Amino acid sequence: AQSVTQPDIHITVSEGASLELRCNYSYGATPYLFWYVQSPGQGLQLLLKYFSGDTLVQGIKGFEAEFKRSQSSFNLRKPSVHWSDAAEYFCAVGARSGGGADGLTFGKGTHLIIQP
Amino acid sequence: SAVISQKPSRDICQRGTSLTIQCQVDSQVTMMFWYRQQPGQSLTLIATANQGSEATYESGFVIDKFPISRPNLTFSTLTVSNMSPEDSSIYLCSVGLYTGELFFGEGSRLTVL
Repeated sequence: AQSVTQPDIHITVSEGASLELRCNYSYGATPYLFWYVQSPGQGLQLLLKYFSGDTLVQGIKGFEAEFKRSQSSFNLRKPSVHWSDAAEYFCAVGARSGGGADGLTFGKGTHLIIQP
Repeated sequence: SAVISQKPSRDICQRGTSLTIQCQVDSQVTMMFWYRQQPGQSLTLIATANQGSEATYESGFVIDKFPISRPNLTFSTLTVSNMSPEDSSIYLCSVGLYTGELFFGEGSRLTVL
């Protein structure tokens, strides 16, 4: 069975500082990996995804993530955070079968706090 | 991408009653999923709802408690039956594209008193 671990429940970063959110996964084959962001009272927005190819993927809002197969990791990074980045971040792993997506398995999330 | 609309966005319900949540997509999709997000928790997959077949439920979720309909390629409903306070959660509809991406609705926030 697939699983996702986000070891940091809360992270506090100063505005303008760099950010790295950790994600480790367990999956029997090459996974499809995702990062989603959830602002308070909102649904989930897809930040970026990794399916294959280049292991460094670029997403929206200046985020990027790097897939490292040897470490089973897919960490999310941003060089300089903005106060509007304060939100809950979820890493997810999934598989693709047939003609479409399977349901995803989500990590428990990391709550990002931005200090002025 | 896909635009997903859920109704109701929030509701307060009495114990023992049932509530049906609707999910409308702006394009035809094969795969739809229903998730639950309990307060302060991550998302848990309830079931996969593919048009033309019975919904497939994950471990811990049963059809009698969470009946699902999928009458066409743009619409689905999830009913939360015989509700108890433990059912207070956000219920999210999502759609899977052939690319492997999943998109989510805004969610339906349910409070059971």
